[in-house]
Amino acid sequence: EPEVTQTPSHQVTQMGQEVILRCVPISNHLYFYWYRQILGQKVEFLVSFYNNEISEKSEIFDDQFSVERPDGSNFTLKIRSTKLEDSAMYFCASDGGVSTDTQYFGPGTRLTVL
Amino acid sequence: AQSVAQPEDQVNVAEGNPLTVKCTYSVSGNPYLFWYVQYPNRGLQFLLKYITGDNLVKGSYGFEAEFNKSQTSFHLKKPSALVSDSALYFCAVRDIDDYKLSFGAGTTVTVRA
Repeated sequence: EPEVTQTPSHQVTQMGQEVILRCVPISNHLYFYWYRQILGQKVEFLVSFYNNEISEKSEIFDDQFSVERPDGSNFTLKIRSTKLEDSAMYFCASDGGVSTDTQYFGPGTRLTVL
Repeated sequence: AQSVAQPEDQVNVAEGNPLTVKCTYSVSGNPYLFWYVQYPNRGLQFLLKYITGDNLVKGSYGFEAEFNKSQTSFHLKKPSALVSDSALYFCAVRDIDDYKLSFGAGTTVTVRA
């Protein structure tokens, strides 16, 4: 069964450093998402991406964040200058591009900012 | 704006007993409703969804959920819980005109042997 994959599973970085989180969505999916889950809190939407551009972003997704689909398979989230409060589990998801579709989630990347 | 409430942080049941995890939602239009489960150190796994039609939706691993429009609820149920059902359960809603999911805070289910 196809699945969303994410790398790395755990990333530790120093405050102020740039990090790139990588995702490979399900191959025939068209809509891609990033969500995050701060420890003990609910899963929050960050950004959605369709047709090589951002379709929606939350207030959390400020200028420090960017997303890219550099090739036909990868979908990345870049945090330019990490802050302590960026420490969270980051989930990538994808679906077929219809609002009734199920979003399938990857296993997540745990980002720890020191 | 859309939102989800899961009123119980924790649900504890004995194996073999019925399990219910509560969820209420708020959307401006017609809702699409989802349940996901998260096992320790794993991602979110899809259980079931309500889009339209029959109010009782059946999903994976023997779970089902009932959509109640008048009560704006979408409670998850399993007639006979297993120890392996112990996990964190999330309810999520999507407005018909939107693509992002809004999640509840999650409910930790513990099934004791």
